[in-house]
Amino acid sequence: QSALTQPPSVSGSPGQSVTISCTGTSSDVDSYNRVSWYQQPPGTAPKLMIYDVSNRPSGVPDRFSGSKSGNTASLTISGLQAEDEADYYCSSYTTGTLNVVFGGGTKLTVL
Amino acid sequence: QVQLVESGGGVVQPGTSLRLSCAASGFTFRNYGMHWVRQAPGKGLEWVSIIWYDGSNKYYADSVKGRFTISRDNSKNTLFLQMDSLRAEDTAVYYCARWTSTRLDWWGQGTLVTVSS
Repeated sequence: QSALTQPPSVSGSPGQSVTISCTGTSSDVDSYNRVSWYQQPPGTAPKLMIYDVSNRPSGVPDRFSGSKSGNTASLTISGLQAEDEADYYCSSYTTGTLNVVFGGGTKLTVL
Repeated sequence: QVQLVESGGGVVQPGTSLRLSCAASGFTFRNYGMHWVRQAPGKGLEWVSIIWYDGSNKYYADSVKGRFTISRDNSKNTLFLQMDSLRAEDTAVYYCARWTSTRLDWWGQGTLVTVSS
């Protein structure tokens, strides 16, 4: 069982917006602004999309945005495109036995 | 351009050992902490281990503690993962990733480890 909870799947049509949630605990998401999001298209390595809750690395489209409220972080993808279809993982720094903890992943389908 | 290239994966029997390597280039390796993250077939990401930039601190997931050892050679820009007493549940693609302050900002393409009799 993953330490952070994500919905198994979400879907949306091109041009629409989707939001993926990531729920943690007081030991991780709620205590630190160190939530990251990773995109993993099939058969490829993960790619950093959002860090420190809401920051985008250079080269990541501004259609991708992140936020956090309490122990739940969210990734929003606006203006959905076919190329956004992938698995998305959240992660957080944690004070527990793990230095980094991941969510179980969410499969985004672009209809 | 940052590059991380894993190697050393393969098919091994339960109880045996394997050593993974991750060759880094395009950045000053000795300035960065490094992680190993694995992904079992069809499953999600699982954090495995971290090593500080200078090798002074190392941490492991409970699932591998006592069996896996992370190390690095900053003179050769290489990260290692020594895996002993391998189990079927260790079967996964193993990724190395660079740690920048609060996130894993660059990932290698991964190397597949299959533990099977």
